[in-house]
Amino acid sequence: EAGVVQSPRYKIIEKKQPVAFWCNPISGHNTLYWYLQNLGQGPELLIRYENEEAVDDSQLPKDRFSAERLKGVDSTLKIQPAELGDSAVYLCASSLSKTDTQYFGPGTRLTVL
Amino acid sequence: KQEVTQIPAALSVPEGENLVLNCSFTDSAIYNLQWFRQDPGKGLTSLLLIQSSQREQTSGRLNASLDKSSGRSTLYIAASQPGDSATYLCAVFGTSYGKLTFGQGTILTVHP
Repeated sequence: EAGVVQSPRYKIIEKKQPVAFWCNPISGHNTLYWYLQNLGQGPELLIRYENEEAVDDSQLPKDRFSAERLKGVDSTLKIQPAELGDSAVYLCASSLSKTDTQYFGPGTRLTVL
Repeated sequence: KQEVTQIPAALSVPEGENLVLNCSFTDSAIYNLQWFRQDPGKGLTSLLLIQSSQREQTSGRLNASLDKSSGRSTLYIAASQPGDSATYLCAVFGTSYGKLTFGQGTILTVHP
């Protein structure tokens, strides 16, 4: 069974530029998460989807971040414009439900110059 | 606010040793606790999930315990191997917050 797929794996951009990350969850997983992980820290939840509905986006900086999950499968996280402080690893995860084991993708390492 | 703390921050042991990683959390109203492993430049891999009603879970050389009332969990690794070298993360799913809250991790190095 394929795991959670993320692309790109690495992205380097200039500040103020837009950037987008893509995630394909495990087939059949209704719940999808985007996390932010800074160096030496544990992941922090940005947004959680139940099917195509965003049910927890309280930690998503909505002035510059946006996300969507079309048809309840793939998801895209966008930052526009990017700031230096956005440099981090962005992880996508999926699970059968919010209390089940979460399966993580390899992450996208973003560097903002 | 739920806070999760892991001790020690880093640990270096010789191959073959048994070791214990510690995790504590401030809010005991949890649904479950999960231990993850993260290799450098990779995502997280789930190791064990303990429901709040359980005391421990075992998988191979790994054993995780949970004492919900005192807000503590331990991950015991038996007969450590160099391939166990990674960062180990503890996370609790709080009933009040409805999400996983992670600790900062313990960096484990097992040298031959």
